[in-house]
Amino acid sequence: GDSVTQMEGPVTLSEEAFLTINCTYTATGYPSLFWYVQYPGEGLQLLLKATKADDKGSNKGFEATYRKETTSFHLEKGSVQVSDSAVYFCALPVSGTYKYIFGTGTRLKVLA
Amino acid sequence: DSGVTQTPKHLITATGQRVTLRCSPRSGDLSVYWYQQSLDQGLQFLIQYYNGEERAKGNILERFSAQQFPDLHSELNLSSLELGDSALYFCASSPLKGETRSGANVLTFGAGSRLTVL
Repeated sequence: GDSVTQMEGPVTLSEEAFLTINCTYTATGYPSLFWYVQYPGEGLQLLLKATKADDKGSNKGFEATYRKETTSFHLEKGSVQVSDSAVYFCALPVSGTYKYIFGTGTRLKVLA
Repeated sequence: DSGVTQTPKHLITATGQRVTLRCSPRSGDLSVYWYQQSLDQGLQFLIQYYNGEERAKGNILERFSAQQFPDLHSELNLSSLELGDSALYFCASSPLKGETRSGANVLTFGAGSRLTVL
C-alpha cells in the first residue's frame, strides 16, 4: 500500500547551516505531495506542496522537488534559523481513498 | 489561529472513563479528519467525514467513535479509556472530499487536545 518514509531524527544544526530532510514515498500513480511543520505546542501547518512530477514547492526559504524517478520529495533550506526548530512531516493522499498519511516526522533543532 | 477549533485543550481522566473531544472546522471546509499523535506511533489517521458522512476509516479502535453534525462540527468519543490512549488528538479540516490533481485539498489542523489517562 501507499506509504511515506522519512529520515530519523533528531537533526541538530547550527544557525545558517544547510538542511536536508529526506522523504521517499510509495504510491499508486502520482499523488500531490506535502510538507507540514509542527512548532512546539502547536498543530501541524502546511509548509509547501507539489502536485506533479518535477514541480518545486517553496515557502519561507524551504524547497522540495517532486522527483518521480526516485519517488522522493526531500525538504531543503539553504540557511536555517533558530526559529525553524520544529518537527517536519512529509505527507500524501492515499490513492483510491479520502485519507492522508504522514511520515513519522523529523525533529529539527537549530542552535544559535 | 488556523481557524480550526478544538476543545478541550487538555483533559485528564482515569482508566475506564469516557471522554468527548470536539472540533469546529475552518469556515467553508466540509471535510473533518481525526488523527492521534503519540510518541511511539507518530501521527495515525483515525477517521474522516465529509459533509456529515463517514468517508474513510483508519486505525480507529472499536472503543472510539466519531460523528459530524449538520453544522459540520465533529466529535470524537473515546470510551473505556486505557493508559495507552494518552496522546494528542488532532482534528483537521479541508474544503473538499478528497485529493484532487490540483493539490487544492489542503488539510488545516487545530491545536490539538491532549488527553492524559491515569
